[in-house]
Amino acid sequence: GENVEQHPSTLSVQEGDSAVIKCTYSDSASNYFPWYKQELGKGPQLIIDIRSNVGEKKDQRIAVTLNKTAKHFSLHITETQPEDSAVYFCAASGYTGFQKLVFGTGTRLLVSP
Amino acid sequence: DTAVSQTPKYLVTQMGNDKSIKCEQNLGHDTMYWYKQDSKKFLKIMFSYNNKELIINETVPNRFSPKSPDKAHLNLHINSLELGDSAVYFCASSPDRGRAGYTFGSGTRLTVV
Repeated sequence: GENVEQHPSTLSVQEGDSAVIKCTYSDSASNYFPWYKQELGKGPQLIIDIRSNVGEKKDQRIAVTLNKTAKHFSLHITETQPEDSAVYFCAASGYTGFQKLVFGTGTRLLVSP
Repeated sequence: DTAVSQTPKYLVTQMGNDKSIKCEQNLGHDTMYWYKQDSKKFLKIMFSYNNKELIINETVPNRFSPKSPDKAHLNLHINSLELGDSAVYFCASSPDRGRAGYTFGSGTRLTVV
């Protein structure tokens, strides 16, 4: 089955800096890679996703890149703000009649003013 | 309107008791899920239903039994609760058998004492 590793487990940055979170996956058949943000006391919320036919996707300050050959994908947040502080999860899945997301272990991002 | 709603939000109970968690989604999605988040924030899938049919059943003790009366509802019943069952349980839903992003509920924090 799929296995997703995520690094770093914690990341502290100053407001305005960039933050990068990296994930690797094991199953070459995986074709869908979403990123979720979880704020304290809330459920994970989808912030951006990418499919295997695309190498990069951007949405305002957030971007995701995918390297299928190396089985790596990354989340990039530019111009970080204190409200970006949260736990971020990457996930991967392939479609075999249904899609089952396997999550990474999470990255706690702290943005200091 | 809450898209995926879970009740209760908090549940404190003694070992050996039986309890249920309810989940409802008003998004018209066909597929619903239960995920367990442990104290280290690791998210692990437990079950998934598509149009009331069980499609994912991970290695979960038999004490856990999901029930889907219709495609908008997925409940989780737990028998003979154990200390190790303490966690946050998240319900989620998605369209098209998971090929689009999941929408999570806000979670149920279960504490077994």
